Amino acid sequence: DIQMTQSPSSLSASVGDRVAISCRASQSISGYLNWYQQKPGKAPKLLIYAASGLQSGVPSRFSGSGSGTDFTLTISSLQPEDFATYYCQQSYSTPWTFGQGTKVEIK
Amino acid sequence: QVQLQESGPGLVKPSQTLSLTCTVSGGSISSASYYWTWIRQPAGKGLEWIGRVYTSGSTNYNPSLKSRVTISVDTSKNQFSLKLSSVTAADTAVYYCARDRPLTGDSTLYWYFDLWGRGTLVTVSS
Repeated sequence: DIQMTQSPSSLSASVGDRVAISCRASQSISGYLNWYQQKPGKAPKLLIYAASGLQSGVPSRFSGSGSGTDFTLTISSLQPEDFATYYCQQSYSTPWTFGQGTKVEIK
Repeated sequence: QVQLQESGPGLVKPSQTLSLTCTVSGGSISSASYYWTWIRQPAGKGLEWIGRVYTSGSTNYNPSLKSRVTISVDTSKNQFSLKLSSVTAADTAVYYCARDRPLTGDSTLYWYFDLWGRGTLVTVSS
């Protein structure tokens, strides 16, 4: 199985901050990387597909980059509704696997 | 728009079989090249992909669960289902159904979960 490791596991930030979350794969996965946002008690929501594609309806302050083994989700200006847990997920080979999550909290 | 809804017992006894159904509404389960997927999340933990089924009945399973899992599709009812046998407390989780959608690019397919059900909590306890 491909292991996905996110860093940091949690972070504290203020509204308006630029936030970057890293995701590293245990082997090269080209651009087969997706990002999801999950709020407490809710299902995950797709933000970014294929490393950098912005899902319809997702604000443009979210962006994804990277290829191979290293990927980044960036929130350009953190908004109150962005406080949540973020997961990366590889779709290079089954079983699809997720990172352990990064919790973004209010500073 | 297309929506997914999980249903099934919220409490299952140890050693028994967990059975859940996902109903697809607002569109046909057979309408495009989607796989239909089950994912679970223990309380306070991360996400685990269980497996997926195509409308032809073709499946992919997580090897860690493969010996206990069956995912099937009923196109006449616009539903797909999960069966997990010989459950233990470690199978207690919120179970989500989701749509696994392909994006075509550069002679390859990028898969991602673009639609999710709300999730259903299944507790394994006697």
